Amino acid sequence: DQQVKQNSPSLSVQEGRISILNCDYTNSMFDYFLWYKKYPAEGPTFLISISSIKDKNEDGRFTVFLNKSAKHLSLHIVPSQPGDSAVYFCAASTGNQFYFGTGTSLTVIP
Amino acid sequence: GAGVSQTPSNKVTEKGKYVELRCDPISGHTALYWYRQSLGQGPEFLIYFQGTGAADDSGLPNDRFFAVRPEGSVSTLKIQRTERGDSAVYLCASSGRASGANVLTFGAGSRLTVL
Repeated sequence: DQQVKQNSPSLSVQEGRISILNCDYTNSMFDYFLWYKKYPAEGPTFLISISSIKDKNEDGRFTVFLNKSAKHLSLHIVPSQPGDSAVYFCAASTGNQFYFGTGTSLTVIP
Repeated sequence: GAGVSQTPSNKVTEKGKYVELRCDPISGHTALYWYRQSLGQGPEFLIYFQGTGAADDSGLPNDRFFAVRPEGSVSTLKIQRTERGDSAVYLCASSGRASGANVLTFGAGSRLTVL
């Protein structure tokens, strides 16, 4: 029973353009949503989060949007850079429980 | 330490053997998590410690898996009678707060291969 879903396993974007990564969830009790970035042979690293009471959070080139009625969130990266090429995991938390999606592999083409 | 440290980084073992994986969390983090990640999948929850006690072990797949954290810092994940299906990257994380959110900080993982 996958509570957090990332339906696009991969995404390719030209350098300088916008990358949009999507995530859907099923549990309306989640209180935070997080994005993690993972390079090969490394553990996932925290990127940005959003509280369930917000609809947008921005940190530099990264913005996360939350649509609670659709149970959907997205991560926007603009402008995309080659160093952004990695696997991005969406996660949702309630209390001390964290649930992860299956990841989207982003390739930014120079 | 500055980050979460996991050893060994790679472990190759034979089916039926016993394996221990170690995690040294960020100093001062009381919560520690173990996750397992198989190829093409996201991290899958195994167990969560608050201090020395396992607050939630509902993710352990069967009784061949158990974990300890005797002094509330370093944790060891123990797998008995390993099977080929146990092959995965085992991730440890400790948690702290960032902008109000409870955030997991992961180690680099221990890649287990069972032949």
